[in-house]
Amino acid sequence: GQNIDQPTEMTATEGAIVQINCTYQTSGFNGLFWYQQHAGEAPTFLSYNVLDGLEEKGRFSSFLSRSKGYSYLLLKELQMKDSASYLCAVSDSNYQLIWGAGTKLIIKP
Amino acid sequence: IAGITQAPTSQILAAGRRMTLRCTQDMRHNAMYWYRQDLGLGLRLIHYSNTAGTTGKGEVPDGYSVSRANTDDFPLTLASAVPSQTSVYFCASSESSGANVLTFGAGSRLTVL
Repeated sequence: GQNIDQPTEMTATEGAIVQINCTYQTSGFNGLFWYQQHAGEAPTFLSYNVLDGLEEKGRFSSFLSRSKGYSYLLLKELQMKDSASYLCAVSDSNYQLIWGAGTKLIIKP
Repeated sequence: IAGITQAPTSQILAAGRRMTLRCTQDMRHNAMYWYRQDLGLGLRLIHYSNTAGTTGKGEVPDGYSVSRANTDDFPLTLASAVPSQTSVYFCASSESSGANVLTFGAGSRLTVL
């Protein structure tokens, strides 16, 4: 079966760095997405990786290793507004998105 | 502001009743999707439409139906609601059905008693 694994919850301190991991087993691979979802709101797109390596976008970076079925989202200089759930999703061979359950990130002052 | 509008925002429904969740987008996106989100689970695809006039079944289609009469609208109907359909429902769209970025609506919280 297809599966996306990510930690349920993480806690970090304001101003620090946090890495949220995502491992996947899917039938085929057409890219990996990270979305941010604040409580009670809709998911919003953060990043997309289809080739191995690091994609940097401001304070957020996303890394992909296709051979290991592994990605991480790196958040630097954490701010209180970064408190949210972070969703990992993989596009499979049929371009259907398989979603992880999300990682709830709690930022403490 | 371009985006997706969902209605209602929230609804409490008696079991056995029929309910339609509305979804309208103004971005001229070809593909549209309905997901449900439940605590501890990832987003699960209910139905999708790759283009106007076509629909397909997702991971959890039972008890739900959709239609796509035009590009903008993609309503989701629960013919006879059951308590297990209590969830938050998100409508989303993308430019095409490939590996594209999804834009989500604000969600509809449905409680079936």
